[in-house]
Amino acid sequence: DGGITQSPKYLFRKEGQNVTLSCEQNLNHDAMYWYRQDPGQGLRLIYYSQIVNDFQKGDIAEGYSVSREKKESFPLTVTSAQKNPTAFYLCASSNTGGRVYEQYFGPGTRLTVT
Amino acid sequence: AQSVTQLDSHVSVSEGTPVLLRCNYSSSYSPSLFWYVQHPNKGLQLLLKYTSAATLVKGINGFEAEFKKSETSFHLTKPSAHMSDAAEYFCVVSDLSGGYNKLIFGAGTRLAVHP
Repeated sequence: DGGITQSPKYLFRKEGQNVTLSCEQNLNHDAMYWYRQDPGQGLRLIYYSQIVNDFQKGDIAEGYSVSREKKESFPLTVTSAQKNPTAFYLCASSNTGGRVYEQYFGPGTRLTVT
Repeated sequence: AQSVTQLDSHVSVSEGTPVLLRCNYSSSYSPSLFWYVQHPNKGLQLLLKYTSAATLVKGINGFEAEFKKSETSFHLTKPSAHMSDAAEYFCVVSDLSGGYNKLIFGAGTRLAVHP
């Protein structure tokens, strides 16, 4: 089965702790993305990576970090510097190559920080 | 800059009646447009996409959308709603100006379907 997996589905953390969200894909896509979704808003891009060992900040990167050591994996760390980390986090992947490609999404991780 | 506006935050229909979810876009060049659907606490699923071929695009589950350049619109329709269509729908425009496959999302329309 080809697709994107995110784990865990629900995550609870205390304020001041860093937490890492997992994202794995077996679609052989070069590009991967992390989005944040808040109630009543569309998705906002946190980070993206077009190729292994390279990633770029999206629109709301402050308080987040990523790595891309393998093509299949793009973990997101929510650091204690993120002022409002409680949200639904979605990972996506796509082909690349100078034209528009649709993005495929994982099932999401709901993070609650108290 | 590219942007999308979904004109209704909530739409409510009865089962078996038509669905219309409205989307207007702003683009400095010929855009690629998408509709995605999200069921509660799930990821997003692609319903359909427009990439400058036929202006009437057919998608999954009986949905279709028509690209109207003169009106800068890309409304999503379905002739007959089903209970399983209740979900959040996102209109999305692509933006390649930054050198990567960026998607810009509308705020979403929540569709409720009543028996």
